[in-house]
Amino acid sequence: QKEVEQDPGPLSVPEGAIVSLNCTYSNSAFQYFMWYRQYSRKGPELLMYTYSSGNKEDGRFTAQVDKSSKYISLFIRDSQPSDSATYLCAMSMDSNYQLIWGAGTKLIIKP
Amino acid sequence: GAVVSQHPSRVICKSGTSVKIECRSLDFQATTMFWYRQFPKQSLMLMATSNEGSKATYEQGVEKDKFLINHASLTLSTLTVTSAHPEDSSFYICSATSGLAGMVETQYFGPGTRLLVL
Repeated sequence: QKEVEQDPGPLSVPEGAIVSLNCTYSNSAFQYFMWYRQYSRKGPELLMYTYSSGNKEDGRFTAQVDKSSKYISLFIRDSQPSDSATYLCAMSMDSNYQLIWGAGTKLIIKP
Repeated sequence: GAVVSQHPSRVICKSGTSVKIECRSLDFQATTMFWYRQFPKQSLMLMATSNEGSKATYEQGVEKDKFLINHASLTLSTLTVTSAHPEDSSFYICSATSGLAGMVETQYFGPGTRLLVL
């Protein structure tokens, strides 16, 4: 079993829809949870960063962490074609520890 | 924001040759740089961590004699794939951190280098 599981998709939704992306994990020691966006043939860029449980909102993006269920989510409201990318979750036990990555979910927003 | 560049962005080489990939932090000093490999539809796999002025720390299963890493200065790290073979074809991504804050939120990624070994 992988430490971090993420459905690779692709997930295709119409423009304007609410998108829900998820990851599950097995290591209860993870404390830091990140979502990265990666456009084709580019490096990842950090979208959201959450410590421990709870919600965090930034514009159209909301990150949720449920440590009791070992489940994290990224919600995108009013999705745009420019949101089409691969979204990777990553986790770490410590702020100075290496990141453990999900496989990434390819998201396609249809105009 | 902080910028990390990689060169070249794409390289095609013959089997048996060596390829050098450069990773530069353009507007900050990177005390630590990371090298990742990413196969299609798979997650990033950390290959090694390098700190300026010291030997790189390789992850289990990564051959240090095949993937030579040199972190020569606070703005430059190089990855050399020696005697490359077709199975080394992949997307290589570096990241860099200044270490001033937690690495988790201050790790900046380069655009990646696509290596194709024929």
